[in-house]
Amino acid sequence: DAKTTQPNSMESNEEEPVHLPCNHSTISGTDYIHWYRQLPSQGPEYVIHGLTSNVNNRMASLAIAEDRKSSTLILHRATLRDAAVYYCILRDGEYGNKLVFGAGTILRVKS
Amino acid sequence: DAGVTQSPTHLIKTRGQQVTLRCSPISGHKSVSWYQQVLGQGPQFIFQYYEKEERGRGNFPDRFSARQFPNYSSELNVNALLLGDSALYLCASSFEGARATGELFFGEGSRLTVL
Repeated sequence: DAKTTQPNSMESNEEEPVHLPCNHSTISGTDYIHWYRQLPSQGPEYVIHGLTSNVNNRMASLAIAEDRKSSTLILHRATLRDAAVYYCILRDGEYGNKLVFGAGTILRVKS
Repeated sequence: DAGVTQSPTHLIKTRGQQVTLRCSPISGHKSVSWYQQVLGQGPQFIFQYYEKEERGRGNFPDRFSARQFPNYSSELNVNALLLGDSALYLCASSFEGARATGELFFGEGSRLTVL
């Protein structure tokens, strides 16, 4: 399983943008980059995914490096409800029947 | 619409006992996956079922088994419980089977404590 590397923790102020980095130097051509987050006492929640191009949805934006060896999840205006563990996951596009979670990044948001 | 529902939410067992955890996927979803999350770690993949067939299995001993029913609900069974089986067991459902472009919807989990 291809691996990802994320910082253990990050801190942000409320209402400011947050950039959560992820390194995945061994990514293969068929791997999709997925982000999930897990709020306290809840199951993981899908955030966004992409393959090569940058992606936007109502929750966040995903910026993917041109060589695809790294990506950044962008929360445009952090709120207290965004405090969670954020997981960056590589998922095979053809046989990706599972998510391989790492330790993730603990995001703390200060008011 | 109801999300993924799991039962029971909490349970306590003793070593050597057996446990059955249940999961109801989102209506219309044919794939169910099970994950184990030990405190302080990310979830670990246990099984995936699609259309009642096992499509994937993680690195877990044979004490772990699962099945999917015609209505796409699923059960996870763990025999001969060990202290190390204490964890949050998460169920996730999705519409697609093996292809990886869709999202998984997770339930809130069943918290198992083994004494």
